[in-house]
Amino acid sequence: SQTIHQWPATLVQPVGSPLSLECTVEGTSNPNLYWYRQAAGRGLQLLFYSVGIGQISSEVPQNLSASRPQDRQFILSSKKLLLSDSGFYLCACRDYNEQFFGPGTRLTVL
Amino acid sequence: QKEVEQDPGPLSVPEGAIVSLNCTYSNSAFQYFMWYRQYSRKGPELLMYTYSSGNKEDGRFTAQVDKSSKYISLFIRDSQPSDSATYLCAMSNMNTGFQKLVFGTGTRLLVSP
Repeated sequence: SQTIHQWPATLVQPVGSPLSLECTVEGTSNPNLYWYRQAAGRGLQLLFYSVGIGQISSEVPQNLSASRPQDRQFILSSKKLLLSDSGFYLCACRDYNEQFFGPGTRLTVL
Repeated sequence: QKEVEQDPGPLSVPEGAIVSLNCTYSNSAFQYFMWYRQYSRKGPELLMYTYSSGNKEDGRFTAQVDKSSKYISLFIRDSQPSDSATYLCAMSNMNTGFQKLVFGTGTRLLVSP
Protein backbone atom coordinates (compact mmCIF):
# COMPACT_ATOMS: atom_id res chain seq x y z
CA SER A 1 0.00 0.00 0.00
CA GLN A 2 1.08 3.57 -0.55
CA THR A 3 2.58 5.90 2.02
CA ILE A 4 2.39 9.67 1.68
CA HIS A 5 4.96 11.95 3.26
CA GLN A 6 4.55 15.68 3.69
CA TRP A 7 6.88 18.27 5.09
CA PRO A 8 7.15 20.40 6.94
CA ALA A 9 4.44 19.42 9.42
CA THR A 10 3.93 23.01 10.56
CA LEU A 11 5.06 26.31 9.14
CA VAL A 12 4.72 29.94 10.20
CA GLN A 13 5.54 32.45 7.49
CA PRO A 14 5.22 36.23 7.16
CA VAL A 15 2.99 37.80 4.54
CA GLY A 16 4.86 38.26 1.28
CA SER A 17 7.33 35.43 1.85
CA PRO A 18 7.70 32.45 -0.53
CA LEU A 19 6.37 28.97 0.13
CA SER A 20 7.38 25.47 -0.81
CA LEU A 21 5.54 22.41 0.50
CA GLU A 22 6.63 18.97 -0.56
CA CYS A 23 4.77 15.71 -0.91
CA THR A 24 6.31 12.36 -1.78
CA VAL A 25 4.59 9.03 -2.26
CA GLU A 26 5.92 5.52 -1.73
CA GLY A 27 4.50 2.16 -2.71
CA THR A 28 2.90 3.10 -6.01
CA SER A 29 3.90 4.29 -9.45
CA ASN A 30 2.38 6.89 -11.75
CA PRO A 31 -0.18 7.94 -9.16
CA ASN A 32 -2.76 10.68 -9.52
CA LEU A 33 -1.75 13.30 -6.97
CA TYR A 34 -3.76 16.08 -5.39
CA TRP A 35 -3.27 19.17 -3.25
CA TYR A 36 -6.13 20.18 -0.98
CA ARG A 37 -6.54 23.03 1.47
CA GLN A 38 -8.72 22.75 4.55
CA ALA A 39 -9.66 26.00 6.24
CA ALA A 40 -11.31 26.17 9.65
CA GLY A 41 -15.00 25.29 9.41
CA ARG A 42 -14.78 24.49 5.75
CA GLY A 43 -14.49 21.32 3.74
CA LEU A 44 -11.51 20.23 1.73
CA GLN A 45 -10.95 22.45 -1.27
CA LEU A 46 -9.15 20.86 -4.21
CA LEU A 47 -6.34 23.17 -5.35
CA PHE A 48 -4.37 21.17 -7.92
CA TYR A 49 -4.22 17.70 -9.36
CA SER A 50 -1.71 15.88 -11.51
CA VAL A 51 -2.02 12.75 -13.60
CA GLY A 52 1.68 12.58 -14.49
CA ILE A 53 5.08 14.28 -14.49
CA GLY A 54 4.78 17.88 -15.57
CA GLN A 55 0.99 17.67 -15.87
CA ILE A 56 -0.76 20.05 -13.52
CA SER A 57 -4.38 21.17 -13.48
CA SER A 58 -5.56 24.04 -11.34
CA GLU A 59 -9.02 23.98 -9.84
CA VAL A 60 -9.25 27.51 -8.51
CA PRO A 61 -7.49 30.77 -9.39
CA GLN A 62 -5.23 31.72 -6.54
CA ASN A 63 -1.87 32.76 -5.28
CA LEU A 64 -0.43 29.24 -5.43
CA SER A 65 1.19 27.02 -8.02
CA ALA A 66 2.11 23.34 -8.17
CA SER A 67 4.75 21.28 -9.89
CA ARG A 68 5.45 17.60 -10.36
CA PRO A 69 9.14 17.18 -11.17
CA GLN A 70 9.16 13.42 -10.53
CA ASP A 71 6.61 10.64 -10.68
CA ARG A 72 6.10 10.49 -6.93
CA GLN A 73 6.86 14.08 -5.96
CA PHE A 74 4.35 16.92 -5.85
CA ILE A 75 5.27 20.44 -4.77
CA LEU A 76 3.04 23.34 -3.78
CA SER A 77 4.56 26.81 -4.06
CA SER A 78 3.89 30.48 -3.76
CA LYS A 79 6.04 33.49 -4.59
CA LYS A 80 4.31 35.78 -2.08
CA LEU A 81 2.06 34.48 0.65
CA LEU A 82 -1.19 36.18 1.62
CA LEU A 83 -2.96 36.03 4.97
CA SER A 84 -5.74 34.06 3.26
CA ASP A 85 -3.26 31.28 2.40
CA SER A 86 -3.31 30.09 6.00
CA GLY A 87 -4.77 26.63 6.40
CA PHE A 88 -4.11 22.92 6.54
CA TYR A 89 -2.61 21.63 3.30
CA LEU A 90 -3.13 18.02 2.41
CA CYS A 91 -1.54 15.94 -0.30
CA ALA A 92 -3.51 12.94 -1.54
CA CYS A 93 -2.89 9.99 -3.81
CA ARG A 94 -5.40 7.97 -5.75
CA ASP A 95 -5.32 4.18 -5.59
CA TYR A 96 -7.98 2.70 -7.87
CA ASN A 97 -11.22 4.36 -6.76
CA GLU A 98 -9.98 5.55 -3.40
CA GLN A 99 -8.03 8.61 -2.31
CA PHE A 100 -5.57 8.46 0.54
CA PHE A 101 -4.25 11.47 2.38
CA GLY A 102 -0.92 12.45 3.83
CA PRO A 103 -0.46 13.84 7.35
CA GLY A 104 -0.79 17.46 6.21
CA THR A 105 1.09 20.73 6.68
CA ARG A 106 -0.38 23.40 8.91
CA LEU A 107 0.51 26.81 7.47
CA THR A 108 0.03 30.02 9.40
CA VAL A 109 0.67 33.29 7.57
CA LEU A 110 1.19 36.28 9.86
CA GLN B 1 -26.44 25.76 -2.88
CA LYS B 2 -23.42 23.64 -2.03
CA GLU B 3 -23.02 20.38 -3.91
CA VAL B 4 -22.64 18.50 -0.62
CA GLU B 5 -24.24 19.54 2.65
CA GLN B 6 -23.18 18.22 6.04
CA ASP B 7 -24.16 19.38 9.52
CA PRO B 8 -20.97 20.61 11.24
CA GLY B 9 -22.11 19.55 14.72
CA PRO B 10 -20.69 19.00 17.23
CA LEU B 11 -22.66 15.85 17.91
CA SER B 12 -22.21 14.70 21.51
CA VAL B 13 -23.19 11.18 22.55
CA PRO B 14 -22.45 8.88 25.49
CA GLU B 15 -20.23 5.85 25.03
CA GLY B 16 -22.16 2.90 23.60
CA ALA B 17 -24.69 5.01 21.69
CA ILE B 18 -25.57 4.49 18.05
CA VAL B 19 -24.39 7.44 16.00
CA SER B 20 -25.94 8.57 12.73
CA LEU B 21 -23.99 10.94 10.48
CA ASN B 22 -25.52 12.24 7.28
CA CYS B 23 -24.87 14.13 4.08
CA THR B 24 -27.13 15.37 1.34
CA TYR B 25 -26.04 16.21 -2.18
CA SER B 26 -27.45 17.86 -5.25
CA ASN B 27 -25.52 16.30 -8.16
CA SER B 28 -27.33 13.18 -9.35
CA ALA B 29 -24.24 12.14 -11.32
CA PHE B 30 -22.34 11.19 -8.16
CA GLN B 31 -21.71 7.46 -8.10
CA TYR B 32 -19.01 6.87 -5.51
CA PHE B 33 -19.51 7.74 -1.88
CA MET B 34 -16.91 7.78 0.84
CA TRP B 35 -16.63 8.49 4.52
CA TYR B 36 -13.41 9.76 6.03
CA ARG B 37 -12.48 10.11 9.67
CA GLN B 38 -10.17 12.96 10.64
CA TYR B 39 -8.58 13.30 14.04
CA SER B 40 -7.49 16.74 15.14
CA ARG B 41 -4.44 17.99 13.22
CA LYS B 42 -4.22 14.79 11.16
CA GLY B 43 -4.97 13.91 7.57
CA PRO B 44 -8.33 12.26 6.76
CA GLU B 45 -8.43 8.48 6.92
CA LEU B 46 -10.72 6.53 4.59
CA LEU B 47 -13.33 4.58 6.56
CA MET B 48 -15.89 3.35 4.09
CA TYR B 49 -16.38 3.36 0.37
CA THR B 50 -19.58 2.48 -1.49
CA TYR B 51 -20.67 2.53 -5.08
CA SER B 52 -24.19 3.55 -6.11
CA SER B 53 -27.04 2.71 -3.74
CA GLY B 54 -27.25 0.23 -0.91
CA ASN B 55 -25.59 -0.63 2.37
CA LYS B 56 -22.08 -1.64 3.28
CA GLU B 57 -21.00 -2.88 6.69
CA ASP B 58 -17.53 -3.01 8.21
CA GLY B 59 -17.36 -3.92 11.87
CA ARG B 60 -19.18 -1.25 13.89
CA PHE B 61 -19.60 0.98 10.82
CA THR B 62 -22.42 0.87 8.27
CA ALA B 63 -22.65 3.13 5.25
CA GLN B 64 -25.94 3.69 3.46
CA VAL B 65 -26.60 5.39 0.15
CA ASP B 66 -30.05 6.45 -1.03
CA LYS B 67 -29.57 7.89 -4.49
CA SER B 68 -33.28 8.56 -4.98
CA SER B 69 -33.18 10.95 -2.02
CA LYS B 70 -29.58 12.07 -2.62
CA TYR B 71 -28.79 11.16 0.96
CA ILE B 72 -25.98 9.16 2.51
CA SER B 73 -25.47 8.03 6.07
CA LEU B 74 -22.79 6.54 8.28
CA PHE B 75 -23.89 4.61 11.35
CA ILE B 76 -21.53 3.81 14.20
CA ARG B 77 -22.67 1.13 16.64
CA ASP B 78 -21.40 0.87 20.20
CA SER B 79 -19.60 4.19 19.87
CA GLN B 80 -16.30 4.57 21.73
CA PRO B 81 -14.41 7.64 22.97
CA SER B 82 -11.80 6.79 20.32
CA ASP B 83 -14.47 7.49 17.68
CA SER B 84 -14.34 11.18 18.65
CA ALA B 85 -13.23 12.90 15.47
CA THR B 86 -14.54 14.84 12.50
CA TYR B 87 -16.29 12.71 9.88
CA LEU B 88 -16.19 13.90 6.30
CA CYS B 89 -18.38 12.60 3.52
CA ALA B 90 -17.05 12.72 -0.02
CA MET B 91 -18.42 11.77 -3.38
CA SER B 92 -17.39 11.69 -7.00
CA ASN B 93 -18.53 11.19 -10.54
CA MET B 94 -16.20 8.86 -12.41
CA ASN B 95 -17.60 9.77 -15.81
CA THR B 96 -15.00 12.50 -16.15
CA GLY B 97 -12.27 9.86 -16.19
CA PHE B 98 -10.58 11.58 -13.30
CA GLN B 99 -11.52 11.21 -9.68
CA LYS B 100 -12.40 14.62 -8.33
CA LEU B 101 -13.87 14.30 -4.87
CA VAL B 102 -16.37 16.78 -3.49
CA PHE B 103 -16.32 16.93 0.29
CA GLY B 104 -18.78 17.93 2.92
CA THR B 105 -17.57 20.31 5.61
CA GLY B 106 -17.42 17.49 8.17
CA THR B 107 -19.36 16.66 11.34
CA ARG B 108 -17.50 16.76 14.61
CA LEU B 109 -18.40 13.81 16.85
CA LEU B 110 -17.72 13.72 20.59
CA VAL B 111 -18.19 10.42 22.44
CA SER B 112 -18.04 10.81 26.19
CA PRO B 113 -17.00 7.93 28.52
